[in-house]
Amino acid sequence: DIQMTQSPSSLSASVGDRVTITCRASQSISTYLNWYQHKPGIAPKLLIYAASSLQSGVPSRFSGSGSGTDFTLTISSLQPEDDFATYSCQQSFSVPYTFGQGTKLEIK
Amino acid sequence: EVQLVESGGDLVQPGGSLRLSCAASGFTVSSNCMNWVRQAPGKGLEWVSVIYSAGSTLYADSVKGRFTISRDSSRNTLYLQMHSLRVEDTAVYYCARGSGGSQQRGYFFDYWGQGTLVTVSS
Repeated sequence: DIQMTQSPSSLSASVGDRVTITCRASQSISTYLNWYQHKPGIAPKLLIYAASSLQSGVPSRFSGSGSGTDFTLTISSLQPEDDFATYSCQQSFSVPYTFGQGTKLEIK
Repeated sequence: EVQLVESGGDLVQPGGSLRLSCAASGFTVSSNCMNWVRQAPGKGLEWVSVIYSAGSTLYADSVKGRFTISRDSSRNTLYLQMHSLRVEDTAVYYCARGSGGSQQRGYFFDYWGQGTLVTVSS
């Protein structure tokens, strides 16, 4: 199975800050990497697919990059609605479609 | 509008069985890749199972032989039949539509339900 490792596991930042979350795959997955935002009691939301494609309706402050084994999710200017969310990466190179352990984001 | 609504979660004893349902609207379940994903308390998301549009199915090793994914075209509903439940199966279970992929590769989960809670405890 492909292992996905995210860092950091949690972070605290201020509104307007630029935030970067990294995801590393245990083997090359090309660009078969997706990012999700999830909050308690709310359906998870797809943010980025295929490493860098922005899902329809997702604000442009979210962006993704990377290929092979190293990927990043960037929020260019943190907004209050991004608070208390967990951001998770997922590989779709092979089954099982493994997720990273998640990064919990809190706004100061 | 695409919508997924899970149901069937409950408190069940270890060794028991449960069937989860995921009612879809706005698209056809049998024409799409459909998945079950779970999140145990304090843990990250864990992919559980997939049924592709052609009908083939795959499972995580942790549930293989105990869980069965299926769909009913007439009801436009996805199911997860769970047997021999263990304490470690306790989680919120989500159904999610997979899009954009082929040959088991490249799928992203573009629509999710709100989840249903399964608690396995004596």
